[in-house]
Amino acid sequence: DAGVTQSPTHLIKTRGQQVTLRCSPISGHKSVSWYQQVLGQGPQFIFQYYEKEERGRGNFPDRFSARQFPNYSSELNVNALLLGDSALYLCASSLVLRGSWGNIQYFGAGTRLSVL
Amino acid sequence: KNEVEQSPQNLTAQEGEFITINCSYSVGISALHWLQQHPGGGIVSLFMLSSGKKKHGRLIATINIQEKHSSLHITASHPRDSAVYICAVPAGETSGSRLTFGEGTQLTVNP
Repeated sequence: DAGVTQSPTHLIKTRGQQVTLRCSPISGHKSVSWYQQVLGQGPQFIFQYYEKEERGRGNFPDRFSARQFPNYSSELNVNALLLGDSALYLCASSLVLRGSWGNIQYFGAGTRLSVL
Repeated sequence: KNEVEQSPQNLTAQEGEFITINCSYSVGISALHWLQQHPGGGIVSLFMLSSGKKKHGRLIATINIQEKHSSLHITASHPRDSAVYICAVPAGETSGSRLTFGEGTQLTVNP
């Protein structure tokens, strides 16, 4: 079975541009979360989606938006890119939103975004 | 918000040494995650535990819910164990919700 897949793996943009990152969860997983990891720091939560609805949002500006599709894949959009948006963007999927003991989150390899 | 602190930030060991990485959190949780991140970024989930101890190969994770503390141990460390080890706890009340991460511990094991 394929794990969580993210595309593209690397991306270079300039300030002011817009970017779309994509994530395909593990088959059967309905929850997708997005995290931003700046170099040298732990990941920071951006969004969580479950059954195509936003279920949580971190402390990020409105330039960041996301959605989840009927097949549970997800896109993260960032508008008006700033230099500080340069980071590794991680997607994680889990079977359900909450509850069971075995609800481990599985991470993709990430998309490395460089804003010049 | 659940604050997560890890120690040490950096750890260098010789091959074969016993490694301990510590994690403390501020709010009661249902489960705690230990994750491994190799250069290039991919994160692998090592353990999710809510009590006691779990063992997988040379890796052992323990948690003390009352003291809000967890440790990750690596026995007979090897250069391939070199990675960043991250502790993460649920930001909400249940283990399936979004995670709050520690800053990570950079482990380097020299041959």
